Formats: sequence, C-alpha cells, structure tokens
Amino acid sequence: DGGITQSPKYLFRKEGQNVTLSCEQNLNHDAMYWYRQDPGQGLRLIYYSQIVNDFQKGDIAEGYSVSREKKESFPLTVTSAQKNPTAFYLCASSIVRGGYEQFFGPGTRLTVL
Amino acid sequence: DAKTTQPPSMDCAEGRAANLPCNHSTISGNEYVYWYRQIHSQGPQYIIHGLKNNETNEMASLIITEDRKSSTLILPHATLRDTAVYYCIVRVYTNFGNEKLTFGTGTRLTIIP
Repeated sequence: DGGITQSPKYLFRKEGQNVTLSCEQNLNHDAMYWYRQDPGQGLRLIYYSQIVNDFQKGDIAEGYSVSREKKESFPLTVTSAQKNPTAFYLCASSIVRGGYEQFFGPGTRLTVL
Repeated sequence: DAKTTQPPSMDCAEGRAANLPCNHSTISGNEYVYWYRQIHSQGPQYIIHGLKNNETNEMASLIITEDRKSSTLILPHATLRDTAVYYCIVRVYTNFGNEKLTFGTGTRLTIIP
C-alpha cells in the first residue's frame, strides 16, 4: 500500500538528548514536510523540502534539523536546543507540480521527561 | 496567506447535513480555499478545495460566496466517523511548489447519535 509511515508512534526521551523522528513515503512525492502540533492547536510548519538535498525552514525551525538524502526519506532531529520539544509531530508529502493535496502520516508523539 | 475564522465547535445529529462555516474576508484573487480534517491523534486528511466555483466530491461540498469572503463545507449525511477537527485554510497555489499550509485551530465537529 502506498503511504507515509512515521515511527515510532510514541517516543520518550530525557531532557538534553537529541532524538530523530523517522518519516518514509512510497508515493514518489518530491515534496515533504514536518509539522508540530501542540494540544488544542493547529499545525505549525518546521521544515519542508521540495527536492532531494534541499530543504527550507518553516515557521518554527529553531532547535530542529532535517536531511533529505533520499526522495523517500525526510528524518527530523529534535535537538537539545529545542526548549519545548514535547509535542505531536506530523510528516506530510505532496507532488510539487499540479498537486493540491498534502498526504499526512500517522504522527509521532514525543514526550521529553 | 489570508487569515481564516472558524467557530471553535459545532454539533450535528447523525444523518443530518453538517454545515461548517469559514470566514476569509481578506482573501486575494489568487488564493484557494482548502479544507482538511483531523480525527483525534491522527494526521490531517484532505477533503476538498476551490477557488470561486462551488465544488463537490465524494466526501463533501464546498460553497464559496460570490465575493469569496466566506465559504461553507457541507457534509451531506454526517456519520459518527465524521467527528473530527475541521480546518479551513486559504493559500496561494503555485505550479512551482506545494508550499506550506497554515492551519488555525479549526472547528471541532461532534456528530451526535
């Protein structure tokens, strides 16, 4: 089945540790996105990438880093510099030209203790 | 992207039509109206989009006023599975990239048995 997978669904880390969230898609989409969602709030864009080896900061990139070495993969690292990392993280993908829809993964809920 | 205003919550009886309003009074001529929904703890799901004409697909209908300052998403026969947060998003669509979506807090729709 085509889609976006994020793993793990729940992740716990100690404060001060870096953690990497996985996002893989087999939809052959060029564009991929990372969003953060806090309780009762909408989604906010962290980073996005429209092509391999290129990515742009979104609205809240501080304390996060990404890489895009393969078309299928767009991992997000939450660094120790992120002051409030506990949140629900969502990855999405889309085609670049001619597409209207972003497809979202199931999300990873990160809790930093 | 233009800002949108939605009621924070709505109820609808199962089997009835659910009408979700959205105000976007500062919308520009080249901005589209998109609707997504998010079922609890899942990734958002695209529903429909439009520019100025009314649109219908297998999930819903989108009615955009003639002045384009507001729109209504209609779920014709609501079921319990339609209980979700519905987001109205206004953004420019370009053929060069499917850029970020700006999510507000949306409308929490509860379908009552």
